[in-house]
Amino acid sequence: GAGVSQSPSNKVTEKGKDVELRCDPISGHTALYWYRQSLGQGLEFLIYFQGNSAPDKSGLPSDRFSAERTGGSVSTLTIQRTQQEDSAVYLCASSPRGRAGVTDTQYFGPGTRLTVL
Amino acid sequence: GQNIDQPTEMTATEGAIVQINCTYQTSGFNGLFWYQQHAGEAPTFLSYNVLDGLEEKGRFSSFLSRSKGYSYLLLKELQMKDSASYLCAVSFDRGSTLGRLYFGRGTQLTVWP
Repeated sequence: GAGVSQSPSNKVTEKGKDVELRCDPISGHTALYWYRQSLGQGLEFLIYFQGNSAPDKSGLPSDRFSAERTGGSVSTLTIQRTQQEDSAVYLCASSPRGRAGVTDTQYFGPGTRLTVL
Repeated sequence: GQNIDQPTEMTATEGAIVQINCTYQTSGFNGLFWYQQHAGEAPTFLSYNVLDGLEEKGRFSSFLSRSKGYSYLLLKELQMKDSASYLCAVSFDRGSTLGRLYFGRGTQLTVWP
């Protein structure tokens, strides 16, 4: 079946502009995660959704970052007033359950490469 | 972070065996994943360990020691296509943070002919 998809694949923006990144998880997966990967750094957790709610937003680096998920499916990560340090690859992952006490495999999308000039 | 440590780079030759180590803090440990990531691509799942011991999957095996906070990924009969970054990721049993993974910085493996 279809995997996790993300759009756009590449985004170049100017400092101060807002951007929206989209993630379509694997159908039926209730858990959805956003990570970002900066050059030479490990994947950094941003936010986790269980259904439409976000029990863990602790990784969002500032209040310029927000995310929502609707219908238990598509998620949008919004970065307001982008800064150069926001440049990174933003990866989305989904897993079947993400249920407390059970760790299940996360499947990653191809990512959105964001460049802030 | 949770001090997920792995070597930055490794090199090996085609046909050889390579072992990539990963250490982590043991408190609240829930499970450990290995992912492979080729340049410019998404990480792909390789293995999952939750109990002590060795999990074998073809040319790839992964080992876990929960008490030592230690895992390794073993790649046998290396092929050029195995050149990639190998990511160690750990999940911890901590309330609302269940499900999130803590990643090491990745080990860039280069396989030479």
